[in-house]
Amino acid sequence: QRQLQESGPGLVRPSETLSLTCIVSGASISSSNSFWGWVRQPPGKGLEWVATIYYSGRTYSNLSLGSRVTVSGDTSKNEISLKLRSVTATDTAVYYCATADVWGRGTSVIVSS
Amino acid sequence: NFMLSQPHSVSESPGKTVSISCTRSSGSIVSTYVQWHQQRPGGSPTAVIYEDTLRPSGVPDRFSASIDTSSNSASLTISGLKTEDEADYYCQSFDGNTWVFGGGTRLTVL
Repeated sequence: QRQLQESGPGLVRPSETLSLTCIVSGASISSSNSFWGWVRQPPGKGLEWVATIYYSGRTYSNLSLGSRVTVSGDTSKNEISLKLRSVTATDTAVYYCATADVWGRGTSVIVSS
Repeated sequence: NFMLSQPHSVSESPGKTVSISCTRSSGSIVSTYVQWHQQRPGGSPTAVIYEDTLRPSGVPDRFSASIDTSSNSASLTISGLKTEDEADYYCQSFDGNTWVFGGGTRLTVL
């Protein structure tokens, strides 16, 4: 069965770049018609979509995040990555890797000096 | 662009049946798949329904979903409620290549 496992730095300083990785097991990130998303949840709030990468390598991100987001995939490692530049306190959240029917356990990110 | 609206909270007794609605603000509810995700207190979300009505493996058949075109909404129904079903439930669909989440519904089983 498919499993997703996120990892990240835990703490990021304001204005720096947040880098997260999601290891996918039980499926290939390049398998036809597959897609892999990043979703975040600020403390005490609901779910917010961040970005998606498709099996083809095509990517889409939440327009509210502007050009700060880059999502990519490494087929040799079968993992996807998220980079969020120029972070502020409002980027503090648990970040999840997910597809339509599977979620990772999430990785907590705190933006603070 | 569209929004998905859910009731803020619902409550029901153990053993009973509860339904949670998810109304799409514009565009047809059947134009893109709807998913339902459960998030227990302190936990991560897990999918309980995907592609409108399908259950991931391991999800009990007490969970079911339907689409109502007349109200342009989707519904999640949980029968035989258990205390372990107490959680936040989020509906989610697609607007082109973006994901849209409802605001979540807090289910209390009391």
